[in-house]
Amino acid sequence: DAGVTQSPTHLIKTRGQHVTLRCSPISGHKSVSWYQQVLGQGPQFIFQYYEKEERGRGNFPDRFSARQFPNYSSELNVNALLLGDSALYLCASSSSESWSYLNEQFFGPGTRLTVL
Amino acid sequence: DQQVKQNSPSLSVQEGRISILNCDYTNSMFDYFLWYKKYPAEGPTFLISISSIKDKNEDGRFTVFLNKSAKHLSLHIVPSQPGDSAVYFCAAKNGGSTLGRLYFGRGTQLTVWP
Repeated sequence: DAGVTQSPTHLIKTRGQHVTLRCSPISGHKSVSWYQQVLGQGPQFIFQYYEKEERGRGNFPDRFSARQFPNYSSELNVNALLLGDSALYLCASSSSESWSYLNEQFFGPGTRLTVL
Repeated sequence: DQQVKQNSPSLSVQEGRISILNCDYTNSMFDYFLWYKKYPAEGPTFLISISSIKDKNEDGRFTVFLNKSAKHLSLHIVPSQPGDSAVYFCAAKNGGSTLGRLYFGRGTQLTVWP
């Protein structure tokens, strides 16, 4: 079975531009979460979506938005890019909303975004 | 505010020896703890976890210890192998929340040399 997939792998944008990152969860998983990992830091929670609804949001500005589609894939959108948005963006999927040790979160390889 | 802390950015261990990675947390609501391993150009991979009702969980060469009173957990790798060289992240989940949100530490780069 395919794991979590993300596209694109790498992306270079300039300040002020908009970017869309995509994630396909593991088949059968209905929950998708997005994390931002800045160099030298651990992943920081951005959003969680379950059954196409936003279930939680981390401490990120409104420039960050996301959505989940009927097939449970997800997009992360970032507007008005800043240099500080340069990071690895990780998508994670799980089978339930409030997962426990019975249902782990599985991460994709990430999208490396560079803002110049 | 960093609720999960990994104070050692790097650790170097000889092959065959024990690797001990440490993690501290501040939020008493955390009830589930995980260790992830990350290679360059890959996403974090789940390694081992422990519930707050336990103080030890073992899986092959990997053992995680939890000291709730000290809000401290550690990952022991015995024996260490060169393939274990990676960044290890400690993560925690808030038992008071219905979200699947994970709180991560900054990671520890483990290098196992022959």
